[in-house]
Amino acid sequence: KQEVTQIPAALSVPEGENLVLNCSFTDSAIYNLQWFRQDPGKGLTSLLLIQSSQREQTSGRLNASLDKSSGRSTLYIAASQPGDSATYLCAVPGTGGGNKLTFGTGTQLKVEL
Amino acid sequence: EAQVTQNPRYLITVTGKKLTVTCSQNMNHEYMSWYRQDPGLGLRQIYYSMNVEVTDKGDVPEGYKVSRKEKRNFPLILESPSPNQTSLYFCASSSNNYRNSPLHFGNGTRLTVT
Repeated sequence: KQEVTQIPAALSVPEGENLVLNCSFTDSAIYNLQWFRQDPGKGLTSLLLIQSSQREQTSGRLNASLDKSSGRSTLYIAASQPGDSATYLCAVPGTGGGNKLTFGTGTQLKVEL
Repeated sequence: EAQVTQNPRYLITVTGKKLTVTCSQNMNHEYMSWYRQDPGLGLRQIYYSMNVEVTDKGDVPEGYKVSRKEKRNFPLILESPSPNQTSLYFCASSSNNYRNSPLHFGNGTRLTVT
């Protein structure tokens, strides 16, 4: 059964810092990995989707990397801003691929002025 | 505007009273799915649908039903709600190229069963 872990569970940084969020998964037979952002009381917003054939994907100040063999992905946020404060979740397909998604429990990020 | 719409946003009900949470998307997506989110447990998939009349169980389907009679709609039905179904529910959709396309989420339905 696919298990997804995100460390740390919570993170507080001063504005302007570069930071890395981690996601690890147990079954490396995945075809993609997605990173999402969740604001309080809201749904999830897709940030980046990395295909299994890719090693990284970039969008603005965000860069996500994927290392399938080690079962890890990182989300790098450059020059953090208070508006980046949110919970960040990663998701991968369940064991055996298929159409189920397994989510991590998220990293709650707070960027302080 | 492309979106996934869930209704209602908040729902309080009593044990055993049947309820339906609606989900509709306007992006012509084939894939739709329901999740519940609980503190400490994260998001867990309840049911998903690859297309009209095609549905399958996720990781926590017990106590829930779904139907997919139209492409745009994917309602979640609780025939006899129980307090352990108190949770935050999300509907999501994705294009037919599910493996290459991101998921789009609704804003959630907070359900309380007393």
